[in-house]
Amino acid sequence: NAGVTQTPKFRILKIGQSMTLQCAQDMNHNYMYWYRQDPGMGLKLIYYSVGAGITDKGEVPNGYNVSRSTTEDFPLRLELAAPSQTSVYFCASSRQGYYEQYFGPGTRLTVT
Amino acid sequence: AQSVTQLDSHVSVSEGTPVLLRCNYSSSYSPSLFWYVQHPNKGLQLLLKYTSAATLVKGINGFEAEFKKSETSFHLTKPSAHMSDAAEYFCVVTLYSGAGSYQLTFGKGTKLSVIP
Repeated sequence: NAGVTQTPKFRILKIGQSMTLQCAQDMNHNYMYWYRQDPGMGLKLIYYSVGAGITDKGEVPNGYNVSRSTTEDFPLRLELAAPSQTSVYFCASSRQGYYEQYFGPGTRLTVT
Repeated sequence: AQSVTQLDSHVSVSEGTPVLLRCNYSSSYSPSLFWYVQHPNKGLQLLLKYTSAATLVKGINGFEAEFKKSETSFHLTKPSAHMSDAAEYFCVVTLYSGAGSYQLTFGKGTKLSVIP
């Protein structure tokens, strides 16, 4: 099993550009999550999904969009990138909401 | 509202001495509790979990944690620190928030330094 994979590993965006962060898992997990991690702030939940076709907002959803068309994939879309979106983004999955989460290696995004 | 407090942002220990990373939570319900470790420039890895079974939980790499409901604590310990334990550690609380939904809250992290 590859577990949770994320692409790209690094990306530099100009202000106003858009991009999609890819996330895939091969564990047949129902739940998937997107977090951002800023220094000294722990992880903040952006969006999550409880199954294909179902998504919901987390703590910091503004400026982001998600979709979940399959069990395996959960892409995160950034529209009109802003410097405040400079962060490390982690995707995670779990079998159910109260189970442990498995994390991908992260995407380091810089917006200048 | 639930919350997680990691009482120390930075802990420094000498190699071979005990490690104690402190975590307190507030919750009206029985939580699931986790500790994760993050090595530099890496993703988060599960160390151990408490899900209402034994209150003393053993994890990987010699770590363990004890759930104390009366103190609302879930402190992480290890008898003897190793250089490879230097990393950031996160305490996480998961609560059922109704309608099939769960709320996950991360602590802000404790950075562990190990001095040779």
